[in-house]
Amino acid sequence: EVQLVQSGAEILPPGESLKISCKASGYIFTNYWIAWVRQKPGKGLEWVGVIYPGDSETKYSPSFQGQVTVSADNSISTAYLQWSALKASDTAIYYCARPRGGSSWSGIDYWGQGTLVTVSS
Amino acid sequence: QSVLTQPPSVSGAPGQRVTISCTGSSSSIGAGYDVHWYKQLPGTAPKLLIYDDNNRPSGVPDRFSGSKSGTSASLAITGLQAADEADYYCQSYDRSPSGSVVFGGGTKLTVL
Repeated sequence: EVQLVQSGAEILPPGESLKISCKASGYIFTNYWIAWVRQKPGKGLEWVGVIYPGDSETKYSPSFQGQVTVSADNSISTAYLQWSALKASDTAIYYCARPRGGSSWSGIDYWGQGTLVTVSS
Repeated sequence: QSVLTQPPSVSGAPGQRVTISCTGSSSSIGAGYDVHWYKQLPGTAPKLLIYDDNNRPSGVPDRFSGSKSGTSASLAITGLQAADEADYYCQSYDRSPSGSVVFGGGTKLTVL
């Protein structure tokens, strides 16, 4: 059974760094893209970026390029999303998700449970 | 503002048919990129309803169908049920300006 299990909720002040995780199981981690999707409170879905663990290729939405970093550790089948300096506008739920096909824009058939990141002083 | 445009809300009575539109451009849906549809209930992760324009994952009832024409796509739901009340999102790819996956702004379906 495919599962994506994300790290727990975080509450941090502005300016802090953060790295959230997404542990995958039930499939060959290096064979599928892993994406990150943001959802601000009461708002819609936004594509953040994606990584192919097989060769570490990453792609970012223009809105998030330079703002976050997507990475993966194949030895523990875990993907990460990190910030070097959080802003209040980063407050949101972040989902990791696995596109079903061979392209990064394939439909997403598996989602993590979401990680709530709250940035507040 | 989303690259893919959806109506903010649609509604229908139980048993009726509703459609949700998703309008893109010549660099997204019009360029032939696949469209996918998701259903999201409050407090939960999205669920894939339709992939690659008109394919249903296993377990999704055939009351849900997708279509695409030109720069737009549509999700149709027949035999509307109370359990269909949710937010619905379309997703595709836009090759301009630098290429990225894009979502629609979402549509709230209310079952009257």
